[in-house]
Formats: sequence, structure tokens, C-alpha cells
Amino acid sequence: DQQVKQNSPSLSVQEGRISILNCDYTNSMFDYFLWYKKYPAEGPTFLISISSIKDKNEDGRFTVFLNKSAKHLSLHIVPSQPGDSAVYFCAAFDSGTYKYIFGTGTRLKVLA
Amino acid sequence: DARVTQTPRHKVTEMGQEVTMRCQPILGHNTVFWYRQTMMQGLELLAYFRNRAPLDDSGMPKDRFSAEMPDATLATLKIQPSEPRDSAVYFCASGLGTASNQPQHFGDGTRLSIL
Repeated sequence: DQQVKQNSPSLSVQEGRISILNCDYTNSMFDYFLWYKKYPAEGPTFLISISSIKDKNEDGRFTVFLNKSAKHLSLHIVPSQPGDSAVYFCAAFDSGTYKYIFGTGTRLKVLA
Repeated sequence: DARVTQTPRHKVTEMGQEVTMRCQPILGHNTVFWYRQTMMQGLELLAYFRNRAPLDDSGMPKDRFSAEMPDATLATLKIQPSEPRDSAVYFCASGLGTASNQPQHFGDGTRLSIL
């Protein structure tokens, strides 16, 4: 049973517009959430994280929003650039088990 | 720039053969994770270590998979005997393990093909 779900396998966005990637989770005990970006033939690289006690974290063009009541988080990229084209993984961290649980990923394509 | 190093990058072998994948974590990192990437499951956690001790390997098929950390600079993942369904990309990641929001650093993976 997937505890972290990314229901959109792919997303296409025009350059300069906003990209919104979504993630849902089921375990209310997760206390950190992270986004990773992955290019082909490379490992995932950390992008941004948010603590469960926050509802927003911003880093440059990237903002992560957390809605605990809905068990939902989203990553906003504004403005989107062609170099942002990659697979984005949402991950949740459970400090009780020290496990990171990953979603299945969303492939973002930013069109020039 | 410190990196997690995985070898080999690619491995093609026949069903039934033993496969060993190696990982050199970032110096000073005390947690090591093994993941398998598949289309259907995304990144599945297979096993992880903290201070070289195995904490959880519940994600691994125990009859054929084994994970070890002979020393702080080397983690291994072995499959014996290998099967075609083991074909996937296997990632190793390391982290500091001192705070819950410390992100993991991933290697570039081993692409395994079992014929």
C-alpha cells in the first residue's frame, strides 16, 4: 500500500509559467517532507523540504506547501525553465522508524 | 564536491548468477540506504544502516538479497541467485542521520539487467 502517492505521472508546462506538482500521503506520523529532482542516468538530488509544523517553505523559484488536514503537499516552480524538465519525487520522513518513503514520481516537461 | 559512488554503473548477467553492487557513502555520513527504482513502485526502500548496523531490511526479499556494511566506507547489496524480475536501477544514498530533515545524497545508481 503506497503511503506516499503522486497521482500524476507526467506534466507539461510552458516556459515561464507555473508548474505545480502534487503529492498525497496517508500516515499522519510523517514529520518531514522532501522533494527530489532526478535527471536521466543520475541519482535523485535534494530540492527542498518542509517540516510538518510549517505550511510553506520557499527557496528561490521553488515553494512547497503543506496541508496537514488534507494530507497533501505541493511543489510550485515559478517561473518554470526548460532545465527544470526532470522527474520529481515526493518523499516523507518518519523519525520513529527513520525511514524515507518515496512516491512514484512525476515527469515534468517544460516546453520552450 | 562530495558524492556517493556506486559501482558498477551497469550490469548485465544471466539469470541464476550472483550480483554484487557496491556503494561508497560520503565520508562522515553515518546512514546508508539502498533503494530500487521501478516504473510501478517508484523508489522502494530495500534496506538501511545506521553506524554500520542494519536497522531495517524489511523491503528486501530475504531469500535472495543481502545487504552489508563491512566498513564505514563500503556498503554492498548482493543478489543470489538473480532473477529477471530483479532488473531495475538500484540506488544507494547516504546521510548524516543526526537530524530528521537532513536530506539524503544519492549515487547515480547501478542499472541491472538479468537475462
